[in-house]
Amino acid sequence: QKEVEQNSGPLSVPEGAIASLNCTYSDRGSQSFFWYRQYSGKSPELIMSIYSNGDKEDGRFTAQLNKASQYVSLLIRDSQPSDSATYLCAVRTAGNQFYFGTGTSLTVIP
Amino acid sequence: DAGVIQSPRHEVTEMGQEVTLRCKPISGHDYLFWYRQTMMRGLELLIYFNNNVPIDDSGMPEDRFSAKMPNASFSTLKIQPSEPRDSAVYFCASSSHGGAFGYTFGSGTRLTVV
Repeated sequence: QKEVEQNSGPLSVPEGAIASLNCTYSDRGSQSFFWYRQYSGKSPELIMSIYSNGDKEDGRFTAQLNKASQYVSLLIRDSQPSDSATYLCAVRTAGNQFYFGTGTSLTVIP
Repeated sequence: DAGVIQSPRHEVTEMGQEVTLRCKPISGHDYLFWYRQTMMRGLELLIYFNNNVPIDDSGMPEDRFSAKMPNASFSTLKIQPSEPRDSAVYFCASSSHGGAFGYTFGSGTRLTVV
């Protein structure tokens, strides 16, 4: 079992819709959770971090964490073509190990 | 802040040659990470340093890979001899607080071994 799992996609949504990206992790003691956005040919860029159960909102982005279910998600409201990228989920475990998922490719169709 | 600086951006080399990738972390960051990214395997952690000391090199694929951090502002990743299967994008990232608040990645080095 991988430490962090994501659906590879591709996920396609129309412009203006909500994009939902999901991630599960295996280490129940994990403390910190991150979403990175990676445009094609570029490096990963941190866009959201979440540390406690519930929702965290930042502009059009909402991160959701459910530690009991070992589940992290990212919602992108009012999706724009500029949101088209690969989204990487990352988890920092209690042992200070850092694991990335393989990423979900998102395409927002104008 | 200029961010994490990597060089070169692109490297094409022949099989068997030595390759050296360079990284300058963000000033004040005490953790430095080297990752490799391929389509097949995604992002793989190769090695990370804390205060210039290698902490975990279990991701280094084999003895052909070595990494050093002689001071807080410079690190190298060396491959000798290089092989075609080493072709990938190599990222350096730095952080403070052990990555508790995430990493900042450099722009990467795209390595092609022919």
